[in-house]
Amino acid sequence: SQQGEEDPQALSIQEGENATMNCSYKTSINNLQWYRQNSGRGLVHLILIRSNEREKHSGRLRVTLDTSKKSSSLLITASRAADTASYFCATGNQAGTALIFGKGTTLSVSS
Amino acid sequence: GAGVSQSPSNKVTEKGKDVELRCDPISGHTALYWYRQSLGQGLEFLIYFQGNSAPDKSGLPSDRFSAERTGGSVSTLTIQRTQQEDSAVYLCASSFASGGRRDEQFFGPGTRLTVL
Repeated sequence: SQQGEEDPQALSIQEGENATMNCSYKTSINNLQWYRQNSGRGLVHLILIRSNEREKHSGRLRVTLDTSKKSSSLLITASRAADTASYFCATGNQAGTALIFGKGTTLSVSS
Repeated sequence: GAGVSQSPSNKVTEKGKDVELRCDPISGHTALYWYRQSLGQGLEFLIYFQGNSAPDKSGLPSDRFSAERTGGSVSTLTIQRTQQEDSAVYLCASSFASGGRRDEQFFGPGTRLTVL
């Protein structure tokens, strides 16, 4: 079963604009991660935010976490064509043996 | 190597045949994971290995699926009597730690399996 659900499913923007993706989850978490996937192949870890953190920055990425609402958002500022990819949020399963991913948000950045 | 490697990158097989997919994790990573991603879907957990502990096989969809991890390193995912619904990208990941900590997982490029 899926823990995280991303919103929107697809997003198209112009270079230079900001992109915001949201993720909701169901159970309590220790942390939440965001991954990027290019061309339907391997995933790349972007950022991890712990349950006691509310906001975290990494370069052009800003992640927020609201544990009371069981939601997170990923903001990509000043987007580039190279940011075109699918973005997934992920949380740990109850057994601590795997990540549970949502279906992802497909971001298209046109120049 | 620098990252997780998987082979083959693409595999086309006929329904009913067995296939083996290989994963070489990052050296020193004690945890290894297999996931499956069907077209337009998120990733589905299949199996998890951690050191010498018994693997978590709870994600395997049927008894046609099995996996081994030899010597705490290389892993092989075997699918017997493949079906068309097994067509997907099979992703392997590894990490330094697991259990209570949800550490960053490093993913391989995946094997795209097509069952005709």
